[in-house]
Amino acid sequence: GNSVTQMEGPVTLSEEAFLTINCTYTATGYPSLFWYVQYPGEGLQLLLKATKADDKGSNKGFEATYRKETTSFHLEKGSVQVSDSAVYFCALSEAGGGNKLTFGTGTQLKVEL
Amino acid sequence: GAVVSQHPSWVICKSGTSVKIECRSLDFQATTMFWYRQFPKQSLMLMATSNEGSKATYEQGVEKDKFLINHASLTLSTLTVTSAHPEDSSFYICRLRNEQFFGPGTRLTVL
Repeated sequence: GNSVTQMEGPVTLSEEAFLTINCTYTATGYPSLFWYVQYPGEGLQLLLKATKADDKGSNKGFEATYRKETTSFHLEKGSVQVSDSAVYFCALSEAGGGNKLTFGTGTQLKVEL
Repeated sequence: GAVVSQHPSWVICKSGTSVKIECRSLDFQATTMFWYRQFPKQSLMLMATSNEGSKATYEQGVEKDKFLINHASLTLSTLTVTSAHPEDSSFYICRLRNEQFFGPGTRLTVL
């Protein structure tokens, strides 16, 4: 079956530090890949997505590249802000899978001044 | 503005009672909606796929008689937690077919 593995948190960074949150996946076929963000007390928001190999999704300074050869979709940001503190979820949707999403366990990011 | 709404946003109930959670699509006709539950500091687990005008499809391990899903119109799906118990306390989230549109969630606390 499909699965998504994320690095465990919490990840604590100083403001303006570089962020990487690792995500690898297992799926049959060619899934679409997503990163979601959940701010405290709020619902999930789609941060970025990529639908095929070598695609790069980007939004709000975050980016992730779909790497089929390493089955990875690592999230990166060059300079984090305190307002980026949230939980980040990697997810996949398998082609022909009825748009079901399989989520990773989430990685909490804390950004300090 | 919001595309998906949920009501209530939070609810506290006594053990043994039933709770109904509504998920409304505000801008789209939704033939399919998904229901998830999220335990504190954990990931989202898909419970079921709600299909307008037909029976919901439940994921393995989810009791269909306990979590009743009704999708009677193209804009409304409801999840009823029957005979709720403390272990049902969780954050319940609905989602449209489009991966972008999640509801804000309903926090259920069963005493």
